Amino acid sequence: QSALTQPHSVSGSPGQSVTISCTGTSSDVGGYKFVSWYQQHPGKAPKLILYDVAMRPSGVPDRFSGSKSVNTASLTISGLQAEDEADYYCCSFAGGPYVFGTGTAVTVL
Amino acid sequence: QVQLVESGGGLGKPGGSLSLSCAASGFSFSDYYMSWVRQAPGKGPEWISFIGGSGRHIYHADSVRGRFTTSRDNAKNLVYLQMDGLRGEDTAVYYCAATLDGNFKVDYWGQGTLVTVAS
Repeated sequence: QSALTQPHSVSGSPGQSVTISCTGTSSDVGGYKFVSWYQQHPGKAPKLILYDVAMRPSGVPDRFSGSKSVNTASLTISGLQAEDEADYYCCSFAGGPYVFGTGTAVTVL
Repeated sequence: QVQLVESGGGLGKPGGSLSLSCAASGFSFSDYYMSWVRQAPGKGPEWISFIGGSGRHIYHADSVRGRFTTSRDNAKNLVYLQMDGLRGEDTAVYYCAATLDGNFKVDYWGQGTLVTVAS
């Protein structure tokens, strides 16, 4: 199972919006509605910010939103804040195993 | 308060073995399937195994199948990862993760334990 493809990095100024793509295949992203997104700060465990493509766990701000089209899922962070600077990983169910994305570093300028 | 605490990491030799444990508390352990997810230095996470709540369903990623074994003890709220035939590419932080049965997201993460494979 190959890792899902994400851009290496994205950046934006405070208050702006950024979107991170996550491209897989019909065997993972395209085949299931079970895409989740995790935020990871240096030296910390990943933290769930979206699941089932667009659902937010309690406590996650509504600045974080998700969508999916065919084999590509997307995470949008609106109203970028300094604390959003972190690595972001998508993850998709793949019919048994799970596969993570390559990761995207978000920089707040 | 939910806690997942991994232990057993450290230095292992190529071809050798290490055993990791994860102690769970604060949730109904048998209602969750447990996964091991590892993250090599500077890389993204890699899911390597899961085990169902009853222990009957077990799945391993191709990268570790035949070398690593996952098990659990619901009476002790523990999940284990036995790692044999260690390779340099197994060097990573190993996280224990919990998912409520029926969900497809990690609900809880441990803090991780570092495994280094070197001679």
